[in-house]
Amino acid sequence: EVQLEESGGGVVRPGGSLTISCAASGFTFSDAWMSWVRQAPGKGLEWLGRIRSGITEYAAPVRGRFSISRDDAANTLLLQMKSLRIDDTALYYCTTYRSSTNFNYWGQGTLVTVSS
Amino acid sequence: DVVMTQSPLSLPVTLGQPASISCRSSQGLLYSDGNTYLNWFQLRPGQSPRRLIYRVSSRDSGVPNRFSGSGSGTDFTLKISRVEAEDVGVYYCMQGTQWPYTFGQGTKLEI
Repeated sequence: EVQLEESGGGVVRPGGSLTISCAASGFTFSDAWMSWVRQAPGKGLEWLGRIRSGITEYAAPVRGRFSISRDDAANTLLLQMKSLRIDDTALYYCTTYRSSTNFNYWGQGTLVTVSS
Repeated sequence: DVVMTQSPLSLPVTLGQPASISCRSSQGLLYSDGNTYLNWFQLRPGQSPRRLIYRVSSRDSGVPNRFSGSGSGTDFTLKISRVEAEDVGVYYCMQGTQWPYTFGQGTKLEI
């Protein structure tokens, strides 16, 4: 059974940093394209970035501030967030979504709150 | 970036009646491999996003056949033939053709 479990969310001050994780199981993690998506309170879904075959790509709102990495030995996806802003407050999901396949799984999300 | 525009943003429905959500993209979504990567997701309170439809009209495993997708180019539609109580939530179209992937604003379906 495929499982994705995000962790590491919490409260952080504006300008601060936080790293959240996504633990994967039930599939060959090293072969999977992985992405991060978020939903701010009362807002819609927003794709943040993805990592595939060693290449990372980011959406404009987070480019230069967020960094996606992976530890294939530990089956873990990471999202390092720096210079956090109030509007980064959101529920952060990891997903295996890849357009050309049907391999589409989502975690339950971890909440990041940026507040002074 | 490809802008996805949904309408309506709020959709009051009656149980047992049909419902329809429109999604328009700012650019065509046909990819070089011949596929159109237009998806529909359902988001219920307290749950993670659930994909209902992929490549415009293919239903994901376990999705009731009352959900259907159609469209091409830049105009797409999600239809629910007969709304059930469990369908309450927010529906998003999402394009996976061009990076960055983008979602529509969401349509809130309420009974």
